[in-house]
Amino acid sequence: DAGVTQSPTHLIKTRGQQVTLRCSPKSGHDTVSWYQQALGQGPQFIFQYYEEEERQRGNFPDRFSGHQFPNYSSELNVNALLLGDSALYLCASSSWDLSISYEQYFGPGTRLTVT
Amino acid sequence: ILNVEQSPQSLHVQEGDSTNFTCSFPSSNFYALHWYRWETAKSPEALFVMTLNGDEKKKGRISATLNTKEGYSYLYIKGSQPEDSATYLCASPGAKSSGDKLTFGTGTRLAVRP
Repeated sequence: DAGVTQSPTHLIKTRGQQVTLRCSPKSGHDTVSWYQQALGQGPQFIFQYYEEEERQRGNFPDRFSGHQFPNYSSELNVNALLLGDSALYLCASSSWDLSISYEQYFGPGTRLTVT
Repeated sequence: ILNVEQSPQSLHVQEGDSTNFTCSFPSSNFYALHWYRWETAKSPEALFVMTLNGDEKKKGRISATLNTKEGYSYLYIKGSQPEDSATYLCASPGAKSSGDKLTFGTGTRLAVRP
């Protein structure tokens, strides 16, 4: 049973560029959440997707957008990259029905460096 | 804004020592408390999800307790081993309406010396 997978592992972009990060959830999960972890901090919630719609959003600007596909995989897009967007981006998958399980499973992350 | 705090920030112990960390969270609107173990270059691994006041959970040498009335959880590691070296994160959604929107602490980095 494959866990949560993310691609790419590492990415280097230039300020002002756009980036797309990808996530495939754990088998049986239908909800994907994205988190940003900056150096020295805990992961910060960006947004969550379920049924191809954004359901919750954290305190991130509109430059951060996402998408969920019918197979539950998800993309995170960041436009007009800033140096401060350099971070580890984590994807977490879960079941929307919390009566089934509260657990969230994380991928290994994508390390984004903006120069 | 939900505030989740962890202490200490880092910990260095000798192999065989037992250790514990603290996670503090607001006691109002409590819904759940998650503990994760995160080794470098790997995915955060879910250890426990705790929901009830007085909950105690155990996984091998690692155990956790929960006090929702006073807003804290303790994670204990008995007889630490070098493979326990990792960052331990706690997180809470704060309320049921927040669902999966977890607010994380900054973590406790544990280093176990052989």
